[in-house]
Amino acid sequence: AQSVTQLDSQVPVFEEAPVELRCNYSSSVSVYLFWYVQYPNQGLQLLLKYLSGSTLVKGINGFEAEFNKSQTSFHLRKPSVHISDTAEYFCAVRFSGGYNKLIFGAGTRLAVHP
Amino acid sequence: GAVVSQHPSWVICKSGTSVKIECRSLDFQATTMFWYRQFPKQSLMLMATSNEGSKATYEQGVEKDKFLINHASLTLSTLTVTSAHPEDSSFYICSASLGLAAYNEQFFGPGTRLTVL
Repeated sequence: AQSVTQLDSQVPVFEEAPVELRCNYSSSVSVYLFWYVQYPNQGLQLLLKYLSGSTLVKGINGFEAEFNKSQTSFHLRKPSVHISDTAEYFCAVRFSGGYNKLIFGAGTRLAVHP
Repeated sequence: GAVVSQHPSWVICKSGTSVKIECRSLDFQATTMFWYRQFPKQSLMLMATSNEGSKATYEQGVEKDKFLINHASLTLSTLTVTSAHPEDSSFYICSASLGLAAYNEQFFGPGTRLTVL
């Protein structure tokens, strides 16, 4: 079965510290991978995506993610977080052989403390 | 990037009434639109996929007679929650896409908070 797992439901971190939000997927076919951010009572904003090519993807707000096919992972990283990065982060997968259907992970709540 | 709007942003209604939520793609023609539901502190759950001019495809467990979806134009899809009950209270998010192929990106609306009293 195809699925997405975000290993941490909550990640507390101090301001200016580095952070990594983990995402693993399960699939027997090629995938497209996405990270979205959701601020309270708002929709989703695309942070970055991997469709093909370089496995290191840079996104907005200083975030980056690395696609690791052997480990079926797509972890999100930022070297120095800000208070304003406090939000819910969702990893999502779309299967390249299928139609345009996103499967979301459960989400990770990033809480940045001063 | 592409902009998707939703209206209203929040709505409160009485139990038994129907509520319509609009999703519009403002600067592109969306062949395909998606409707998601999000419960507090949970992930997004796809409810249905709609293609312009055809019937929506509902995910397993979603009542099509309860959640009526219309995609009459390339820029507008509507979700009507019929005979709403408190358990229908949720955050509803739409997304719009150029098509069904997997390489098409989905652009998300800001969401609609529905509270049924």
